[in-house]
Amino acid sequence: ILNVEQSPQSLHVQEGDSTNFTCSFPSSNFYALHWYRWETAKSPEALFVMTLNGDEKKKGRISATLNTKEGYSYLYIKGSQPEDSATYLCASKTSYDKVIFGPGTSLSVIP
Amino acid sequence: NAGVTQTPKFRILKIGQSMTLQCTQDMNHNYMYWYRQDPGMGLKLIYYSVGAGITDKGEVPNGYNVSRSTTEDFPLRLELAAPSQTSVYFCASASGQGAFTDTQYFGPGTRLTVL
Repeated sequence: ILNVEQSPQSLHVQEGDSTNFTCSFPSSNFYALHWYRWETAKSPEALFVMTLNGDEKKKGRISATLNTKEGYSYLYIKGSQPEDSATYLCASKTSYDKVIFGPGTSLSVIP
Repeated sequence: NAGVTQTPKFRILKIGQSMTLQCTQDMNHNYMYWYRQDPGMGLKLIYYSVGAGITDKGEVPNGYNVSRSTTEDFPLRLELAAPSQTSVYFCASASGQGAFTDTQYFGPGTRLTVL
């Protein structure tokens, strides 16, 4: 069974701070890496999907990078806002029909 | 479009009881998934389906059964509920058009407690 790990488990930042967290995944049998944003009492929503080594995606103040050779992805949030408070999940696609989720990083942005 | 809907939202079961968690999607997606979410453990895949009539086990299938008779519906059956099945259950679907790049669309979840 493949393991996807995320760090830190939780994070508290002040409004306006920039922050980043890590997703680690086995580099063998890699097909795609997905990031999801999961607000409390809601369902996970897709942020990014990345497939190529060196991929970099951006959506507003949020961006992500991918290193498939060493098996990690970083998610960056620039100028954190209270509405960014959520759990951020990464998921590694290991075959066409299976995906392994990490445990998530819980972000709290303090106004 | 409603997207992915799940019923019920909450349920309390006694040990040994059975129930079916319903999941329906109206996006004509081929792929459907059932996950359970335990605190600090992330999402664990229970069963998945790549199309009507086709299902397969995920990481934690024991104690559950599924069927996929239509594209829209993917019910999850608990036959003999146990306290270890207390969890939040999420259903998700994906189009299946991009095998590796498909994002999953999640339902609102069912919170199940087994006492």
